[in-house]
Amino acid sequence: DQQVKQNSPSLSVQEGRISILNCDYTNSMFDYFLWYKKYPAEGPTFLISISSIKDKNEDGRFTVFLNKSAKHLSLHIVPSQPGDSAVYFCAVKAAGNKLTFGGGTRVLVKP
Amino acid sequence: DAMVIQNPRYQVTQFGKPVTLSCSQTLNHNVMYWYQQKSSQAPKLLFHYYDKDFNNEADTPDNFQSRRPNTSFCFLDIRSPGLGDAAMYLCATSRGGDRGHNEQFFGPGTRLTVL
Repeated sequence: DQQVKQNSPSLSVQEGRISILNCDYTNSMFDYFLWYKKYPAEGPTFLISISSIKDKNEDGRFTVFLNKSAKHLSLHIVPSQPGDSAVYFCAVKAAGNKLTFGGGTRVLVKP
Repeated sequence: DAMVIQNPRYQVTQFGKPVTLSCSQTLNHNVMYWYQQKSSQAPKLLFHYYDKDFNNEADTPDNFQSRRPNTSFCFLDIRSPGLGDAAMYLCATSRGGDRGHNEQFFGPGTRLTVL
């Protein structure tokens, strides 16, 4: 029973264009939603988060949108750069110290 | 630089031979986590320590154990590794408390191969 799903395993985008990554969740009790980025041979690193009381959070080229009625989260990267090529995981946090991760989306930004 | 360190980066063991993976942190965080990640899947939480309090996930097999002798170190013991235990094992830390998004800081992982 997956609480967090990333339905697109991969995404290819041209440098300078927008990358849109999607994530769906099942439990309306999650209070924070996070995105992590992972390069090969490295651990995931935190990218951006959003509280359940907001619908948008922006940090430079990265914007996360939250649609609570649809239980849907998205990450926009604009403009995409070759260094953004990585695997992106969404994660959800309920009360307590645990995160539940989605399966990841591999992004390839072509020069 | 404050960080999360995992040793070894690559571990090969034989079927049924006990193996220990180690994790250390210089962040002085209260919480340490162990995740198992199989290829193209989500990292799956095995257990975590909040200070000395051990929290096991309900579906973590008994074959997996953990020790946290002090704030800085945490170990993952696999008592009798099976072929299905081959995976990347990720250690993470966080400050703890129930405020904010509880950012977790990950080590680079240990890739376990079971022959």
